[in-house]
Amino acid sequence: GAGVSQTPSNKVTEKGKYVELRCDPISGHTALYWYRQSLGQGPEFLIYFQGTGAADDSGLPNDRFFAVRPEGSVSTLKIQRTERGDSAVYLCASSLGDRPNYGYTFGSGTRLTVV
Amino acid sequence: RKEVEQDPGPFNVPEGATVAFNCTYSNSASQSFFWYRQDCRKEPKLLMSVYSSGNEDGRFTAQLNRASQYISLLIRDSKLSDSATYLCVVIGSSNTGKLIFGQGTTLQVKP
Repeated sequence: GAGVSQTPSNKVTEKGKYVELRCDPISGHTALYWYRQSLGQGPEFLIYFQGTGAADDSGLPNDRFFAVRPEGSVSTLKIQRTERGDSAVYLCASSLGDRPNYGYTFGSGTRLTVV
Repeated sequence: RKEVEQDPGPFNVPEGATVAFNCTYSNSASQSFFWYRQDCRKEPKLLMSVYSSGNEDGRFTAQLNRASQYISLLIRDSKLSDSATYLCVVIGSSNTGKLIFGQGTTLQVKP
């Protein structure tokens, strides 16, 4: 597609449940980033993939959060045992590479609400 | 202390006003600097890159002061359509290209 696609756009889940959030980057973009944005805050870095491998996962808040990108294209962010504090907008961005002059394109995000 | 700090505002200004936003960053090894714009319930979009020499794009002027670790954005002749949140963004010293965002400054331009 022309842009970064994230699904679902909205997800409501009960505390304790497992959720998966999907990101489909721009074709050919090797770099993929996940961010989390809470209300009134800027996006916070979670994890970065270069190809299939997670090159930097220093932003994942705890071991309930995990992300994969098995074929170097689509990525899935997985959250186990969701908590109310996980409620946020989860943003995905992709880029041709990890240099700033390549530019970044963000998806429109998945709004996760844990009730 | 947050790595990138901004005054969250909100800034409420009349149409035609000039408004300035400031941002400071803590990592002196930071390499690249940007301003992003985010409309309500939308994703962030690049407004402009920021260079040490200063750069201008129409009504928007960005400045970087590396010695003071300070970034600014000036908007002249504000339009109603400028109402948004403006995010100061830095790429740190790592080689992963990850963006580090400030909290954002909210601008509301009123008729």
